[in-house]
Amino acid sequence: GIQVEQSPPDLILQEGANSTLRCNFSDSVNNLQWFHQNPWGQLINLFYIPSGTKQNGRLSATTVATERYSLLYISSSQTTDSGVYFCAAEYSGGGADGLTFGKGTHLIIQP
Amino acid sequence: DAGVTQSPTHLIKTRGQQVTLRCSPKSGHDTVSWYQQALGQGPQFIFQYYEEEERQRGNFPDRFSGHQFPNYSSELNVNALLLGDSALYLCASSYPRLAGLQETQYFGPGTRLLVL
Repeated sequence: GIQVEQSPPDLILQEGANSTLRCNFSDSVNNLQWFHQNPWGQLINLFYIPSGTKQNGRLSATTVATERYSLLYISSSQTTDSGVYFCAAEYSGGGADGLTFGKGTHLIIQP
Repeated sequence: DAGVTQSPTHLIKTRGQQVTLRCSPKSGHDTVSWYQQALGQGPQFIFQYYEEEERQRGNFPDRFSGHQFPNYSSELNVNALLLGDSALYLCASSYPRLAGLQETQYFGPGTRLLVL
């Protein structure tokens, strides 16, 4: 099945800093999503972005499908941005894998 | 607009027992997927239901089974529980691919299962 790798695994920043999270995937995808998991376990949708660029407030994402990577940008970080960020992808060639998640980036924003 | 709901929120079972978890999809969605998330890991795909049939299945043993009802809600059943089944179980709903709609999956709050 498709492989999804995220980097960095951990990131500690001061409030107000900008950050870039990376997601590499091993094959062509028809679905790529970014999620933020809060401390209670809820996965919050950030972006559905199998290709192209999207922006939502301080967050933006870019997926370059031909090069098999996606980037999540967080600008002017706030303490509420802390948590685990997951990238998940689904192989476009069919199969039975559903969404394959990376291991996540654990982001800590310090005041 | 109600999102994805799951019940119960927490559950404690002992080894060998059976458990049933429930999920109601987001309004307008008819495809339900189940995921298992062990502590410190990303979620892993268990299976997906559409039109009351299992359409896709990940690498999980037959102890894991499911069902989808005519109102699109779904159940996940796990038999002969093992200690390693302790995890957060997440349900997600989406439009079916054939509908040509965006396949964004929306997740419920999860059920935390502890097997003792």
